[in-house]
Amino acid sequence: AQSVTQPDIHITVSEGASLELRCNYSYGATPYLFWYVQSPGQGLQLLLKYFSGDTLVQGIKGFEAEFKRSQSSFNLRKPSVHWSDAAEYFCAVGGRASSASKIIFGSGTRLSIRP
Amino acid sequence: GAVVSQHPSRVICKSGTSVKIECRSLDFQATTMFWYRQFPKQSLMLMATSNEGSKATYEQGVEKDKFLINHASLTLSTLTVTSAHPEDSSFYICSAEGQSTFTAEAFFGQGTRLTVV
Repeated sequence: AQSVTQPDIHITVSEGASLELRCNYSYGATPYLFWYVQSPGQGLQLLLKYFSGDTLVQGIKGFEAEFKRSQSSFNLRKPSVHWSDAAEYFCAVGGRASSASKIIFGSGTRLSIRP
Repeated sequence: GAVVSQHPSRVICKSGTSVKIECRSLDFQATTMFWYRQFPKQSLMLMATSNEGSKATYEQGVEKDKFLINHASLTLSTLTVTSAHPEDSSFYICSAEGQSTFTAEAFFGQGTRLTVV
């Protein structure tokens, strides 16, 4: 069965510090992997996605993620966080089933930034 | 990227009434639309998948008679919460996918905050 696990419910980092948000997935085929960010009361914004090719993908706002098949992981990283990065982050896995894809979300990690 | 517009962004309704939420793809034809529900501080749970011109496919545990989904055109899907109750209060988000968009990538609306009083 498809599933996404984000083991960290809440993370607090200091502004300027590096960040890594963990994501593990379970999927029967080659997964399509996503990271989304959600500010309070807002919709979702796609940070980055992995379909194939280079396992290190670059996204918007200075984020990157690395796909590691052997570990079934797709961790999100940023070398130096900004106060504006405080938000909820969702890892998601999707794929094609017939003519449509279905995206399954992890439980989310709330990121707080310490001044 | 493609733009998906959701309306309204916020709605308050009385218990027992029905509420319609619209999801529009503005610059592409959405062959498939997805509806999600998000409870406070929780993740998004897929409610249903709708394909243009056909009946929606509901996830297990979602009442199809309560959450009516219509996908009558390639740019519009609607979710109607019928006989709403306070426990239906939630954040509802749609996403849309078109044949011309990236494989397996769906674009999300900005969400609708429903409060039933």
